[in-house]
Amino acid sequence: SQKIEQNSEALNIQEGKTATLTCNYTNYSPAYLQWYRQDPGRGPVFLLLIRENEKEKRKERLKVTFDTTLKQSLFHITASQPADSATYLCALLDRGSTLGRLYFGRGTQLTVWP
Amino acid sequence: DGGITQSPKYLFRKEGQNVTLSCEQNLNHDAMYWYRQDPGQGLRLIYYSQIVNDFQKGDIAEGYSVSREKKESFPLTVTSAQKNPTAFYLCASSIDGSSGNTIYFGEGSWLTVV
Repeated sequence: SQKIEQNSEALNIQEGKTATLTCNYTNYSPAYLQWYRQDPGRGPVFLLLIRENEKEKRKERLKVTFDTTLKQSLFHITASQPADSATYLCALLDRGSTLGRLYFGRGTQLTVWP
Repeated sequence: DGGITQSPKYLFRKEGQNVTLSCEQNLNHDAMYWYRQDPGQGLRLIYYSQIVNDFQKGDIAEGYSVSREKKESFPLTVTSAQKNPTAFYLCASSIDGSSGNTIYFGEGSWLTVV
């Protein structure tokens, strides 16, 4: 069956450290992966997109890697801050999907403590 | 400001009632989507529409209906046939339904059955 698994439901780290979130997929052929941030009771907000032929993407303190051999994407937040506390969702577009439909993981809840 | 507006934010439904969730966007996007989010679950696609007067079922369309009479509007009706409607509902849009486009989400609507 097709699955998108995010490493853990919750991740707690100290301010200033690097947070690393994992997204593993099974039985998909992603054309690209996206990462979203979701705050409690609000809609997700797009952060980064990485395509199947890209290894790494950066945006300010955020970095995403994509390894199609491992079937895995890693999402890094460097110099983390309490304001980074939120749930982070990964989503992928399967190349077998003709209409741009995204498939989402369950998310990882990140808490950054001072 | 451009964006997606969902209303109401909170809605209570009695057993056997139909309720309609509103979604309006002023981003001039062709594609619109409805997702359902349950605690600890990933977002699941209910319906999507790539153009006016056309829409397609997603993965969990049973018990729901939509219309797309105007480009900016994509209301979702939760019918009495939906046996477990209590959830967080998210409307979204993108420029079109093709790959690589960012999806923009509304702030969501909470539906509770009483």
